[in-house]
Amino acid sequence: DAGITQSPRHKVTETGTPVTLRCHQTENHRYMYWYRQDPGHGLRLIHYSYGVKDTDKGEVSDGYSVSRSKTEDFLLTLESATSSQTSVYFCAIKEGSGDEQFFGPGTRLTVL
Amino acid sequence: QKEVEQDPGPLSVPEGAIVSLNCTYSNSAFQYFMWYRQYSRKGPELLMYTYSSGNKEDGRFTAQVDKSSKYISLFIRDSQPSDSATYLCAMTFSGGGADGLTFGKGTHLIIQP
Repeated sequence: DAGITQSPRHKVTETGTPVTLRCHQTENHRYMYWYRQDPGHGLRLIHYSYGVKDTDKGEVSDGYSVSRSKTEDFLLTLESATSSQTSVYFCAIKEGSGDEQFFGPGTRLTVL
Repeated sequence: QKEVEQDPGPLSVPEGAIVSLNCTYSNSAFQYFMWYRQYSRKGPELLMYTYSSGNKEDGRFTAQVDKSSKYISLFIRDSQPSDSATYLCAMTFSGGGADGLTFGKGTHLIIQP
């Protein structure tokens, strides 16, 4: 699992509440990514980070923000959760100068 | 038209058969290609990575890339029930940069014992 953990693994919340998902890596990789996976859409990139405090938007970034204050942690925040953000969220890392990405176990989020 | 097209299946084959999984893409800027396997309720697991046209073999798996046709394939020989999973193709533009991956929707594969 490339030393990636995600927390929480499951969460149920209500519309309008803030939610923060955490991705933690133990191997000091520079690049980290957040994806969401939905039936009929596959995996889509939300945000990514290329270093501490360096982040950028992906394909489906509306309604999400991220922060990376230290190398090992990449946080994804839903400022005000909506039912359309019910999904499975995966964090990924990229090692060094390669292109392969390695994924964490995922967080299953349900917004009621 | 989505950038990466992949038949969602399900694709059901008998144990021992050769499986062929395919993706087509529209953006010729994609240069690096990956195949992931995903079991139910698990994260995607990298199977194969290739960056050039041609074939790459790893055990029972062969990845094939045809950039002129914008077509990639994954072949599984001597398929086993444990190969039953969803297979995702993915691709990216740059070598070593920060770009994220663009995925197909995945093909659900069932290997019948």
